[in-house]
Amino acid sequence: GQNIDQPTEMTATEGAIVQINCTYQTSGFNGLFWYQQHAGEAPTFLSYNVLDGLEEKGRFSSFLSRSKGYSYLLLKELQMKDSASYLCARRAAGNKLTFGGGTRVLVKP
Amino acid sequence: DSGVTQTPKHLITATGQRVTLRCSPRSGDLSVYWYQQSLDQGLQFLIQYYNGEERAKGNILERFSAQQFPDLHSELNLSSLELGDSALYFCASSGSNSPLHFGNGTRLTVT
Repeated sequence: GQNIDQPTEMTATEGAIVQINCTYQTSGFNGLFWYQQHAGEAPTFLSYNVLDGLEEKGRFSSFLSRSKGYSYLLLKELQMKDSASYLCARRAAGNKLTFGGGTRVLVKP
Repeated sequence: DSGVTQTPKHLITATGQRVTLRCSPRSGDLSVYWYQQSLDQGLQFLIQYYNGEERAKGNILERFSAQQFPDLHSELNLSSLELGDSALYFCASSGSNSPLHFGNGTRLTVT
């Protein structure tokens, strides 16, 4: 299967850092995506990892370990607008993406 | 704006009916994907097309069908609708090995 596991919900304080973990099946793996989705809106692309290591993009960073089937998304200097669901997605051959259930992040003042 | 256009934005219909959802991909993208998202649930992959041909199939019911036309727009047909089909239906498009870009979705309510 292509089980993708991520926590259901996380709460953090404005200005803090939150790390969202994602584990996935390694067979047939061809890349790992992170998307942000506000309630009722379209998912928007945040980051993409295909090689091991950390990719930094402003306040957001994403890490991948292919051998461990593990990724995380790091959100720094949290802002209220970062309250959203964060979706981990595994890519297989043919650019087919399978999404995890999403992690709902609530940022409190 | 992702460049992916979905119509209609909202659809309210009765059980047993049939509806068609439409998607226009970003300019230049050959791949189109359909996903279903029920309330507070994750994105469930339905089907993928590439340049007019079916590429991959997910958990798509037999009552549902889709196609991609020569101009690359796609339609998702949902028939014999049930209450449980109420959901957000997203279309996404991509180029080769590039991220998926999602449309704003069609919210289907079956009453």
